[in-house]
Amino acid sequence: DQQVKQNSPSLSVQEGRISILNCDYTNSMFDYFLWYKKYPAEGPTFLISISSIKDKNEDGRFTVFLNKSAKHLSLHIVPSQPGDSAVYFCAASHSGTYKYIFGTGTRLKVLA
Amino acid sequence: GAGVSQSPSNKVTEKGKDVELRCDPISGHTALYWYRQSLGQGLEFLIYFQGNSAPDKSGLPSDRFSAERTGGSVSTLTIQRTQQEDSAVYLCASSLDFSNQPQHFGDGTRLSIL
Repeated sequence: DQQVKQNSPSLSVQEGRISILNCDYTNSMFDYFLWYKKYPAEGPTFLISISSIKDKNEDGRFTVFLNKSAKHLSLHIVPSQPGDSAVYFCAASHSGTYKYIFGTGTRLKVLA
Repeated sequence: GAGVSQSPSNKVTEKGKDVELRCDPISGHTALYWYRQSLGQGLEFLIYFQGNSAPDKSGLPSDRFSAERTGGSVSTLTIQRTQQEDSAVYLCASSLDFSNQPQHFGDGTRLSIL
């Protein structure tokens, strides 16, 4: 049973445009969400997080939106740059636990 | 170094052999995690260490897998009698504690079982 789903395995976007990566979850107990970026042969790098008390968190070009009623979160990258090309994982957990459940990742390719 | 360090970066071994993977977490991080990423899959939780508490081993796929964390710092993941389905990238992560803290990952060990 996959509690965190990233239904798009890949996404291609033109440089300068917006990249939108989506993530759905099924467990209503989840209250903390994270996005990680992973380059080939490297470990995932933490990008941005959001607590369920918020519906938006912004950090530079990266914004995460949380829609609790739809159990959906998204990562917006504006403007997209070729260096953003990587695999993006979303992860979720709930307070008082230490287990993060990861999605299967979306491979983003930003075309120059 | 400043980040999580894992060794070896690559390991190729024959089916049936034992392997040992090492993780050096960020200094001061009390929480340490092991994950496995198989081809085309997400990160699969294996085991969690927090301070001096008993580890959560609930993610270990079989009794061929074991892990230790000595002195609250370095951890080793041991796979005995390796099988081809053990081939994956094994990732270690550490964090300050478990409460809503992002994890910092090493670059992983790519394990290939022939």
